[in-house]
Amino acid sequence: DAGVIQSPRHEVTEMGQEVTLRCKPISGHDYLFWYRQTMMRGLELLIYFNNNVPIDDSGMPEDRFSAKMPNASFSTLKIQPSEPRDSAVYFCASSLVRGREQFFGPGTRLTVL
Amino acid sequence: AQRVTQPEKLLSVFKGAPVELKCNYSYSGSPELFWYVQYSRQRLQLLLRHISRESIKGFTADLNKGETSFHLKKPFAQEEDSAMYYCALRPSGPSQLTFGKGTKLSVIP
Repeated sequence: DAGVIQSPRHEVTEMGQEVTLRCKPISGHDYLFWYRQTMMRGLELLIYFNNNVPIDDSGMPEDRFSAKMPNASFSTLKIQPSEPRDSAVYFCASSLVRGREQFFGPGTRLTVL
Repeated sequence: AQRVTQPEKLLSVFKGAPVELKCNYSYSGSPELFWYVQYSRQRLQLLLRHISRESIKGFTADLNKGETSFHLKKPFAQEEDSAMYYCALRPSGPSQLTFGKGTKLSVIP
């Protein structure tokens, strides 16, 4: 198993552009999490899904951010329009059942100019 | 709401010296505590969890409910321990983790 897969690994875009980050969780995992990592704020949970349904999106910073999980093997995090302060590393993680270990993807490093 | 505090952003120790990475939490119930580690150019991964009561790579962590702490300790630091360490809390019930801001451990040869 390749583990959690994220794409792209690096994204550089200009302010105002739409950015879409992608995640493929580990097959069979019921939970999927999106995190943002910055120097100032550390690792923050943005949203998480259970069986493709969003459970808690209270960490999503603004309406510019949206996340979907159309099926058990794919999720997207979209930022529209992007701003320089969105620059961060975005991680996706999945877990098998509630409370068990979360397995992290390699992250997407986003730079908004 | 729960909170996890890691007071040190950076901790430097010499090889062979003891290491203690501090973690304090605030939560009114009975949480589950974890330590995650991120080595350079690698994914964030679970190091240990308090309910396992195990030692991983020489590291141990004891949950002290009286002091609401879950400090990570190792008696003799190795160069390969240099990494970013995150303490995390999972409240009873929900699935999501609340992470501290992390401590960067640098082991000096």
